[in-house]
Amino acid sequence: KNEVEQSPQNLTAQEGEFITINCSYSVGISALHWLQQHPGGGIVSLFMLSSGKKKHGRLIATINIQEKHSSLHITASHPRDSAVYICAASGPPRGYGGSQGNLIFGKGTKLSVKP
Amino acid sequence: DTAVSQTPKYLVTQMGNDKSIKCEQNLGHDTMYWYKQDSKKFLKIMFSYNNKELIINETVPNRFSPKSPDKAHLNLHINSLELGDSAVYFCASSLTGSQFFGPGTRLTVL
Repeated sequence: KNEVEQSPQNLTAQEGEFITINCSYSVGISALHWLQQHPGGGIVSLFMLSSGKKKHGRLIATINIQEKHSSLHITASHPRDSAVYICAASGPPRGYGGSQGNLIFGKGTKLSVKP
Repeated sequence: DTAVSQTPKYLVTQMGNDKSIKCEQNLGHDTMYWYKQDSKKFLKIMFSYNNKELIINETVPNRFSPKSPDKAHLNLHINSLELGDSAVYFCASSLTGSQFFGPGTRLTVL
């Protein structure tokens, strides 16, 4: 079982719909990251959060540390939001010392927004 | 100006060859990373470097070796390439945790 689990794996939505992608993790973390991978392959960091909620434009990320769960919401979705969204946990993985920055990735959620 | 750049973008080579992928960042970040994305699009960390010191080395084959000539560069050398090394390799850098990714290098081993 992967240490970071995402659901759903695939998501198809109509333009304008409210979208939620979920992420659960089983490791101790210092922060939870949401990344976006465009169809062309480039990866962009959307959020890094360790508590509460962050908002950027139509994107909202929340985290519940006690439940080890995070969600990414997209309001008023648009076809240009079509991408793979990846959840990643950062923190000292077991058995290793040092970097707080190493990311353990979920398998991604492929989002397709239809016009 | 590109924040994190990688060269080459595509690399096609024969089994058994030795190759290098270069990564440069102009953000002044002190930590750089190499990630591998396999054919199923799953990302996994390979190495991270902080202030020119390797601070974590995941269980990758020792055919892979990161080399950092200075804080702005982290190159990846791969010896005796194997078919299973075919993947997309991403370089990234960070300062306070949020990571900036390079465009990726698609390596194909024939």
